[in-house]
Amino acid sequence: SQTIHQWPATLVQPVGSPLSLECTVEGTSNPNLYWYRQAAGRGLQLLFYSVGIGQISSEVPQNLSASRPQDRQFILSSKKLLLSDSGFYLCAWSSWTGNTEAFFGQGTRLTVV
Amino acid sequence: AQTVTQSQPEMSVQEAETVTLSCTYDTSESDYYLFWYKQPPSRQMILVIRQEAYKQQNATENRFSVNFQKAAKSFSLKISDSQLGDAAMYFCAYGEGNYQLIWGAGTKLIIKP
Repeated sequence: SQTIHQWPATLVQPVGSPLSLECTVEGTSNPNLYWYRQAAGRGLQLLFYSVGIGQISSEVPQNLSASRPQDRQFILSSKKLLLSDSGFYLCAWSSWTGNTEAFFGQGTRLTVV
Repeated sequence: AQTVTQSQPEMSVQEAETVTLSCTYDTSESDYYLFWYKQPPSRQMILVIRQEAYKQQNATENRFSVNFQKAAKSFSLKISDSQLGDAAMYFCAYGEGNYQLIWGAGTKLIIKP
């Protein structure tokens, strides 16, 4: 069966520090991968998605970047965090065939101080 | 552009009663998918139910069922015999089989014991 791992679960970082959140998927090949951000009590905002290694599409220009160094690995990064980067970040995958639901990791609560 | 609207920011129901959460969407497509996700306090997004637009029959998963009205572009979720564990944020989502899901803002469901 397919599983998705996202870490860390919580993170407190000072302003100006770098960020690296990692997500890996097991049990499937060539998944579509996604990074979402969720503000408190709000819906999901798609940040990045990837349909293959090295293929990244950005939905919202911001202080963040994403990379996909391996088929089932998706990384969210920042060189210098801003206070406004605080939030709940969710990684998700869906089948490369499309027409299917997304499956989510457990999320990362990021607090920039 | 496609949009998803959840007009009920919060709903409450007595334990063991039935509650219906509303969702409407806007699209010019005829082939698409609709989903209801649950986000409990743990914050992990969990798929509750999915509906293919080409299917006339409403999807059902145990105590959860949908009322899909394609012409009206309505996709409501009915939860029967509500349980304390059903307390969560519920999100409606729309997908066309490409790479993105369009999300509603969510409805907070409160279960009264």
